[in-house]
Amino acid sequence: DTAVSQTPKYLVTQMGNDKSIKCEQNLGHDTMYWYKQDSKKFLKIMFSYNNKELIINETVPNRFSPKSPDKAHLNLHINSLELGDSAVYFCASSQDRGIRGAKNIQYFGAGTRLSVL
Amino acid sequence: AQTVTQSQPEMSVQEAETVTLSCTYDTSESDYYLFWYKQPPSRQMILVIRQEAYKQQNATENRFSVNFQKAAKSFSLKISDSQLGDAAMYFCAYRRSRYNNNDMRFGAGTRLTVKP
Repeated sequence: DTAVSQTPKYLVTQMGNDKSIKCEQNLGHDTMYWYKQDSKKFLKIMFSYNNKELIINETVPNRFSPKSPDKAHLNLHINSLELGDSAVYFCASSQDRGIRGAKNIQYFGAGTRLSVL
Repeated sequence: AQTVTQSQPEMSVQEAETVTLSCTYDTSESDYYLFWYKQPPSRQMILVIRQEAYKQQNATENRFSVNFQKAAKSFSLKISDSQLGDAAMYFCAYRRSRYNNNDMRFGAGTRLTVKP
């Protein structure tokens, strides 16, 4: 069973389109994240949700909107796609309440490669 | 802000040999976590090893071990008996331990090549 799953794995689209990437975790974790990995492999956090509440919202364009219908899902919606949005987007989850030793490990999905043409 | 620096963009090791990847970080916190993640060509981010700053003992996971120097803010990864499957990008990461501040900061990565 895949612990953190993202769909789709690959997404090719035209500039100006709106697209969504879905993420689901079956680990029972209370916190989920979105990261962006650029062409130079640099990983940067975009959003973090804890129990459906936005915790971190780094400086990303407001064309990016995370949506968390429940604790197990955190979807990323992107409006008016631009060339610079091309990257690999990773979803991750962690358990941030509980015994100390179990916390703070983030488990990642396989990534979604977004190509904007 | 916390920053993580990996000064080696690329490293190479002969199969069965040992290699050490460097990582330094900057923080004013006393309690935090450090991680090494591996990203093979499949793109999957895989946790390799984790270290809690309050623990003095260096973490080990089979062939992987760390040299954690808290005063020097250094967290290097040693891979012993390197295998072809170890070839990947390796990312060092830092995270504060406070609840409700969950962001993790990554270094720029080190690409490890393993030569047969």
